[in-house]
Formats: sequence, structure tokens, C-alpha cells
Amino acid sequence: QVQLVQSGAEVKKPGSSVKVSCKASGGTFGNYAINWVRQAPGQGLEWMGGIIPIFGTASNGQKFSDSFKGRVTITADESLTTAYMEVNSLRSEDTAIYYCARGIFLSSGWGRFDSWGRGTLVTVSS
Amino acid sequence: SYVVTQPPSESVAPGETARITCGGNFIGGKSVHWYQQKPGQAPELVMYDDSDRPSGVPDRFSGSNSGNTATLTISRVEAGDEADYYCQVWDSTRDQVVFGGGTKLTVL
Repeated sequence: QVQLVQSGAEVKKPGSSVKVSCKASGGTFGNYAINWVRQAPGQGLEWMGGIIPIFGTASNGQKFSDSFKGRVTITADESLTTAYMEVNSLRSEDTAIYYCARGIFLSSGWGRFDSWGRGTLVTVSS
Repeated sequence: SYVVTQPPSESVAPGETARITCGGNFIGGKSVHWYQQKPGQAPELVMYDDSDRPSGVPDRFSGSNSGNTATLTISRVEAGDEADYYCQVWDSTRDQVVFGGGTKLTVL
């Protein structure tokens, strides 16, 4: 069973950027979709986007929520079995726990998330 | 964009049956996945492709999906089932993952 280990908590100023990492161990990495999901305090789950490492930034290798297109960058390093998610132009509303999650992908679309990281708390405060 | 709707809360007595719904336009034509999230923990997959249970999930959990409603059913509810439950689908029109707003299940 794959384990996803995320980087530690961050405190950032409004307007700055944050980059969170997610390292996979004990399972397959490249041919799954690594997704990023955030959860604001007391709120529900919000999908941000994801990447299929074997495809990288090529066509169909990445998907993004409309809410985050242009402000979020998702990359992956297969050799390190690590995915990264960077959010730019942070604002207080971006304070949340950010999860990575491994998901399957099919020709019909991206499917279930079968493994999750423990989350990274990002606090945006002046 | 595709919208999925969940009731904010459900309550059930121990030993009874809980039914958590996920509504969406012709959701019966999509694959629905369900996650359980307990306080302070990451979500965990408890049902996928409408009615398949991951290894380790008790058979008290079952799922169905037809028409405009998908349902996660928990039989013989236990105190440990108290959690937030989220449904998830793939919006093929916009190529995006969509989560429902979540349902807080309270075991009385």
C-alpha cells in the first residue's frame, strides 16, 4: 500500500507563494494521478487539480479546477516519486489543510482516490 | 459545472441504518465514490464505483446509484461511524473532479 508523506506546516504572508510536496513510498507512483485537495477550516473538500507523473505537463497529463487555473502549479518528479503543488498570490482565504491523494485514471475520466497524505496546514496571515 | 448536493447532516441511533444521499443531474450515469473523514484525520475511501467496497471496509457499508441520486448506506450503525461523508464524481464536461459538500453523520 502506497504511503504519501507531505511536507510540514507553513505560515505565509498575503501575496506570497507556498510550495507543498508529497512523496510516495511503498507503491506505484508514475501511472496514477496525484491529486491535490484542500479543506478550509470547518469546510468541505475542494479539488484543486492533479497530475499523472508519467505524462507530466503534456496534454491530458494535468487537470485543474476552474477555481485554481492560473494560480496553482502542479509538478511531479518521477525519479524522486514526489509531487509538488504551488499556490501563488496567497490570500487569507487560502488558509487550509492541503492534501495530496493518489487516484486512478481511465479513458472515461479520473476516478477514486485510494490513498491520501496526512495533509499540510498552510496559514496565510499578515 | 456539474453540481452534487448532499444534506448537511444526518442523525441515526446505534444499530439503525443510515442513508446518506448525493444528488446530481443524471448522476446514475456516473461513477460515484464515497469518503469518510473523522475529526483531525485525512479522508478515507469507503466506497467506489457506486457500490464497490475497498478492502478493510466493513460489509455494513453499501452503495447504490440510480437516476439523480447516489446513496451510501450504513447498516447496524456504530458509534465509530460518526464522521463526515463526502461523495465524489468526475465531471466529464469540464474534465474536473467534483466533491459534494459533505454530510455530517451523528450517531445519537
